[in-house]
Amino acid sequence: EVQLVESGGGVVRPGGSLRLSCAASGFTFDDYAMHWVRQVPGKGLEWVSGIHWNSVYTGYADRVKGRFTISRDNAANSLYLEMNSLKLEDTALYYCTVGPNWNRPLFDHWGQGILVTVSA
Amino acid sequence: QSALTQPASVSGSPGQSVTISCTGTSSDVGGYYFVSWYKQHPDKAPKHIIFDVDKRPSGVSSRFSGSRFDNTAALTISGLQIEDEADYYCASYRSGDTLVFGGGTKMTVL
Repeated sequence: EVQLVESGGGVVRPGGSLRLSCAASGFTFDDYAMHWVRQVPGKGLEWVSGIHWNSVYTGYADRVKGRFTISRDNAANSLYLEMNSLKLEDTALYYCTVGPNWNRPLFDHWGQGILVTVSA
Repeated sequence: QSALTQPASVSGSPGQSVTISCTGTSSDVGGYYFVSWYKQHPDKAPKHIIFDVDKRPSGVSSRFSGSRFDNTAALTISGLQIEDEADYYCASYRSGDTLVFGGGTKMTVL
């Protein structure tokens, strides 16, 4: 059974930093691309970033480009999202997802999400 | 980075068919075969129900179908059931190597 477990969320001040982690199991991690998708509670979904299985290719939404960095450790079956210069509008539930391609909107499995709150 | 355009809400009675549209541009929905649809129940993670415009993942009911005409994709749910009541989102590849979601549509079964 595929399992994606996010961690590292919490409350942070505007301008601060946070690092999200996603522990994956139940599938061959380095066969798949990984993504972060976020959702403000009660609002819509927003793709944040994706990474190729071997980290050669990455993509970012315009709203986070230059502030967020996606990475992965295939040996540890883990995905990360380094978030810097956080803004109030980054407050959301962040989902870790898995799919066949880093630049294709196909997310086969989702974690339960981790809440990030940016507040003064 | 604007979202794809979906109606805020649609509704139908059990047994009816309902279609949800997803309008973009030739730089996303109309230009690539990478359009997906997701279903989300309250306080649950989304689940994919259509990928590559009109393909269904294994295990997804044949009552769900996808299509596209020009820059508009569509999700049709036939034989509406109570459990179809949920939020639905489209998603597409957009030139420049980004992905974009629609704003979401709340489906109500009357």
